Amino acid sequence: EVHLLESGGGLVQPGGSLRLSCEASGFTFRNYPMTWVRQAPGKGLEWVSSIDTSGLERYYADSVKGRFTVSRDNSKNTLHLQMNSLRAEDTAVYYCAKYSGSGTRVFDYWGQGTLVTVSS
Amino acid sequence: EIVLTQSPATLSLSPGDRATLSCRASQSISSSLVWYQQKPGQAPRLLIYDASNRATGIPVRFSGSGSGTDFTLTISSLEPEDFAVYYCQQRSNWPITFGQGTRLEIK
Repeated sequence: EVHLLESGGGLVQPGGSLRLSCEASGFTFRNYPMTWVRQAPGKGLEWVSSIDTSGLERYYADSVKGRFTVSRDNSKNTLHLQMNSLRAEDTAVYYCAKYSGSGTRVFDYWGQGTLVTVSS
Repeated sequence: EIVLTQSPATLSLSPGDRATLSCRASQSISSSLVWYQQKPGQAPRLLIYDASNRATGIPVRFSGSGSGTDFTLTISSLEPEDFAVYYCQQRSNWPITFGQGTRLEIK
């Protein structure tokens, strides 16, 4: 059974940093691109970032480009999102999700999310 | 960036009714359209990919149609567990974008 477990969320001051992690199990992690999607309180879904199987190809939403960095450790079945220069508008639940296949950009399994709150 | 516009914002129906949800893209995305369902406090769940293909385990009452810029998610006969928020997502171009959602509520 596929399982994705996010961690690392919490309360951080504007301008601060946070590193999210997503531990994957139940599938061959190194074979699947992964993604981060966020959802501000009471709002809709916003794609944040995606990474290919090797970690060499990375994609970002304009809203986080230059501030967030996605990475993966295939030896540890873990996805990361390093978030720097955080702003109030980054407050959201952050979900990691698995691609259904290489290059599909279809997210077939999702974690339960981790809440990031940016506030002074 | 491709903008997805979902309508209506809220749909009020009763169990047993037929639900029709719309998603319109700002430019053609062929059949590269995905539908998700999200219930309160839960992560989204994949329903339909490539406009009309049901994901594994999705009941046959859910169907998708459309291509180009206009897409529809149809729930043929609503069950109590279908009342939720539905999002469309385009996978045609970067950046990946989602619609703003349609809330399906019990009338």
